[in-house]
Amino acid sequence: ETGVTQTPRHLVMGMTNKKSLKCEQHLGHNAMYWYKQSAKKPLELMFVYNFKEQTENNSVPSRFSPECPNSSHLFLHLHTLQPEDSALYLCASSTAGTDYSPLHFGNGTRLTVT
Amino acid sequence: QKEVEQDPGPLSVPEGAIVSLNCTYSNSAFQYFMWYRQYSRKGPELLMYTYSSGNKEDGRFTAQVDKSSKYISLFIRDSQPSDSATYLCAIPPHTGNQFYFGTGTSLTVIP
Repeated sequence: ETGVTQTPRHLVMGMTNKKSLKCEQHLGHNAMYWYKQSAKKPLELMFVYNFKEQTENNSVPSRFSPECPNSSHLFLHLHTLQPEDSALYLCASSTAGTDYSPLHFGNGTRLTVT
Repeated sequence: QKEVEQDPGPLSVPEGAIVSLNCTYSNSAFQYFMWYRQYSRKGPELLMYTYSSGNKEDGRFTAQVDKSSKYISLFIRDSQPSDSATYLCAIPPHTGNQFYFGTGTSLTVIP
């Protein structure tokens, strides 16, 4: 089983729908992240959870709502999205409190908002 | 000025060529430098991880850091079609959670 698993792999949703993205890590890490990847842009950090506590919210619109029930699971709840929210959403994990711990990514959810 | 800048390419080379991928950064306090490789329809995976200046070699891959010019490079020797991917340079934070990523360079190795 891969270290970081994301579901679904693809998602098409209308602007009025509500959907959720799921992430699970099997690496024993204690920090989890949501990133947005758009063409020709650097990865954009959206949310960070350290030990299940949200420690960063990078001015993300409220139509994105994260949830971290435990150190292994992370969700991103989506509602009333806009077409410009179409992107690849990547989940990552790392070991918080360790200097320069690298990120381990899942394969992402390709989101299309119609 | 962006923290990390990377030429997006695309870069297309024949099989067997030597590839050079490059990034520049702005903060002289950065100490650690990473390269991620991202295949199509996959997430980024850590490829190389270096500390401070100098070279680090792993098989056909060499990561080089020149702190005096704030320049980081990834060299691929004897490039293979399986090296076709997007390569992202990344700098981990010395405080906080904000990794700094380049935009990625798309590489195609033609058989």
